[in-house]
Amino acid sequence: AQTVTQSQPEMSVQEAETVTLSCTYDTSESDYYLFWYKQPPSRQMILVIRQEAYKQQNATENRFSVNFQKAAKSFSLKISDSQLGDAAMYFCAYRSAYGTQGGSEKLVFGKGTKLTVNP
Amino acid sequence: DSGVTQTPKHLITATGQRVTLRCSPRSGDLSVYWYQQSLDQGLQFLIQYYNGEERAKGNILERFSAQQFPDLHSELNLSSLELGDSALYFCASSVDGRARQPQHFGDGTRLSIL
Repeated sequence: AQTVTQSQPEMSVQEAETVTLSCTYDTSESDYYLFWYKQPPSRQMILVIRQEAYKQQNATENRFSVNFQKAAKSFSLKISDSQLGDAAMYFCAYRSAYGTQGGSEKLVFGKGTKLTVNP
Repeated sequence: DSGVTQTPKHLITATGQRVTLRCSPRSGDLSVYWYQQSLDQGLQFLIQYYNGEERAKGNILERFSAQQFPDLHSELNLSSLELGDSALYFCASSVDGRARQPQHFGDGTRLSIL
């Protein structure tokens, strides 16, 4: 079974600075998708960024970018020019491209990293 | 706004009771997923439906059941509730269940068991 590990329960960053959140995963599959979701205090789950394992190029969405190291099974999220609104729980998630149990492409989540942004 | 609607937002009930959580997926989405978020277990997949049919089960208790109706909305039924069932229950939907399609989450239903 796939597992996702986020080793940093909490992180903090100064407003306007850059922070990197770590994520590692374990899988025997070669094709999969990786995601970062943001959960602010309002508890919504908001998709931040997505990476396809067969693509070597790292995904970027505005101030958010990832460092995807497939061989190391590492998928870190970099937030540049941090803003107060970035404060939230961030979850790393894995999704098989093949599915299990007859085709489910469920998300497997890490435990999350709580990001605090200091003014 | 993700387009996924979950009702109710909050639910307070007692042990032994039964509740029903409702989810309306985004317009056009055929696949619905249910997840449970608790402090000790984190976010865990419960069950998936695709176009009315159960597609996969995860860590769902026998006391829990779900279905997806012809109009594609889904309901998660929780019975014989225990204190440990207190959690945030999310519904997510995607276009067709294929892995490349992102899952869009509702705002969740907060279930509190007294």
